[in-house]
Amino acid sequence: EAGVTQSPTHLIKTRGQQATLRCSPISGHTSVYWYQQALGLGLQFLLWYDEGEERNRGNFPPRFSGRQFPNYSSELNVNALELEDSALYLCASSPLRQGKFSGSPLHFGNGTRLTVT
Amino acid sequence: GQQLNQSPQSMFIQEGEDVSMNCTSSSIFNTWLWYKQDPGEGPVLLIALYKAGELTSNGRLTAQFGITRKDSFLNISASIPSDVGIYFCAGHSGGSNYKLTFGKGTLLTVNP
Repeated sequence: EAGVTQSPTHLIKTRGQQATLRCSPISGHTSVYWYQQALGLGLQFLLWYDEGEERNRGNFPPRFSGRQFPNYSSELNVNALELEDSALYLCASSPLRQGKFSGSPLHFGNGTRLTVT
Repeated sequence: GQQLNQSPQSMFIQEGEDVSMNCTSSSIFNTWLWYKQDPGEGPVLLIALYKAGELTSNGRLTAQFGITRKDSFLNISASIPSDVGIYFCAGHSGGSNYKLTFGKGTLLTVNP
């Protein structure tokens, strides 16, 4: 079974630009989650998508946005990049039962390392 | 918001030693998860706990869901060099509104 795949693995942008990160969940998983892992700060929850809809978002500004496609893959967009956006962005997927998050363990990809200069 | 305190922040041990790390929460969780992250990779699920008091093993790893539902611990027995990495706890408070909170991680270094 193929795991969660993310692309690109590395991305270098300059301040003010936009970044687009992509994620393909495990086959059969309908939920996709995005996390930011900045150095020394652990994993910070960004966004949760399920069945094409944004279900929840963490404490991040609106310039962090995304979408989920009919095939359940997802895109994270970061507009007006700032230096402090430099981090590892992790995508995870899980199956949902009856539309509710039941604590099914998240399966993570290897992340996209975003560097903003 | 919910807070997870994970300790210790880092550990330096000799190969063969046992390791213990824990997480405590200010609120009740219905699910506790333990992940390990190797350098350059995403976190990998080690153990999932769904019931208060539950004790689950995965090879040399053992984790417990605290009876108060506000804490969990992970033990690693007879550590080996490949145990090196960052260990994260994560908790979910239940319900349909997604809330999976991660601890800040324990960095484990094993000296051969």
